[in-house]
Amino acid sequence: ETGVTQTPRHLVMGMTNKKSLKCEQHLGHNAMYWYKQSAKKPLELMFVYNFKEQTENNSVPSRFSPECPNSSHLFLHLHTLQPEDSALYLCASSQGWSRGAGGYTFGSGTRLTVV
Amino acid sequence: TQLLEQSPQFLSIQEGENLTVYCNSSSVFSSLQWYRQEPGEGPVLLVTVVTGGEVKKLKRLTFQFGDARKDSSLHITAAQPGDTGLYLCAGADDKIIFGKGTRLHILP
Repeated sequence: ETGVTQTPRHLVMGMTNKKSLKCEQHLGHNAMYWYKQSAKKPLELMFVYNFKEQTENNSVPSRFSPECPNSSHLFLHLHTLQPEDSALYLCASSQGWSRGAGGYTFGSGTRLTVV
Repeated sequence: TQLLEQSPQFLSIQEGENLTVYCNSSSVFSSLQWYRQEPGEGPVLLVTVVTGGEVKKLKRLTFQFGDARKDSSLHITAAQPGDTGLYLCAGADDKIIFGKGTRLHILP
């Protein structure tokens, strides 16, 4: 399998649930990112990992907890979310750490609905 | 605060017509990227432009970076239904800024 793979594609969770989003890239890229895409808003950068070290956290609430065990895998752990957290969560990777200045490869996203 | 404004927000045209969408900012970027996102999928990188005045062509798509590296345009010739999607521009400097996108619908 090639590219960036995200699972699950769809997730419905209650506000008291704990769930995790998974991202895997098979491109040999060094940097991985979590983005949030909401209707009528630009893509919002959440977290950046370079060589599995977190280099950026854009004031994301602590109910979102990222984990990067190696350069190929990225997780986003979710707990006690709010309905306004419902969105498409996109994982991306890039060659080298330049905040994606050379272009990102995105996964297909996880459509999250918080009820 | 850096902002990228994309226009129009929505565009619906007939197959075979030509169109241009725009990406404008008051900030200078070292490079600018265009992505296309289809429903239920993530954005796919179409092109990166890095030099002021640069023009790149991808089949029927022509991308131009403004001379001052603050703006860009995407021109599509003879639009096809397969061109339907959300077109996002992203400016890169010390960080990446995305626009809200232009949602394009090509009617068969």
